[in-house]
Amino acid sequence: TQLLEQSPQFLSIQEGENLTVYCNSSSVFSSLQWYRQEPGEGPVLLVTVVTGGEVKKLKRLTFQFGDARKDSSLHITAAQPGDTGLYLCAGRPNSGGSNYKLTFGKGTLLTVNP
Amino acid sequence: EAQVTQNPRYLITVTGKKLTVTCSQNMNHEYMSWYRQDPGLGLRQIYYSMNVEVTDKGDVPEGYKVSRKEKRNFPLILESPSPNQTSLYFCASSLDGVRAGTEAFFGQGTRLTVV
Repeated sequence: TQLLEQSPQFLSIQEGENLTVYCNSSSVFSSLQWYRQEPGEGPVLLVTVVTGGEVKKLKRLTFQFGDARKDSSLHITAAQPGDTGLYLCAGRPNSGGSNYKLTFGKGTLLTVNP
Repeated sequence: EAQVTQNPRYLITVTGKKLTVTCSQNMNHEYMSWYRQDPGLGLRQIYYSMNVEVTDKGDVPEGYKVSRKEKRNFPLILESPSPNQTSLYFCASSLDGVRAGTEAFFGQGTRLTVV
């Protein structure tokens, strides 16, 4: 059973379009993170959200943490080819004894075509 | 420059030939871990270490060993590699493994092929 479900798994869009990627779970998380991974590289942290309902913006990227801290979304406005990559959500479950492990979703592979 | 360094980047080996993938971090992080990344399965944790001499299994530890004799190094050992261990491996480190929002820093990955 996947603790963090990401959707969609694949997304191919044209430059200038908007998109939203979702990360859902039935478990409560103390925090959720979004990482981006480019081919041949390791994941790199984009943002961390820790408070239910929190919204963070990073240029054209908007991240939201659900009120119940079970889900998160990443919205990209006016996508550019440089946004192409694998987007991963990750979190540490809010249950005792599990805090050591950072669990990842399977990722959303985004391709932005010029 | 703060970084996690893995070696080698690419490795092709034969079944049963012991190998070690090295991982070193220069950030004085307490927590280190190993992941494997496979198509359709995402990143899965193999082993983690909370500090020197403290290691524990992750989700897919079978066929792997680790050690943490020094804070900066966390090698991954495959005593008898098999083809199902062909994968992309990542080492990661973070300040600690408990506090919410602790950032994980990843190495560049090791692509291992076992034939």
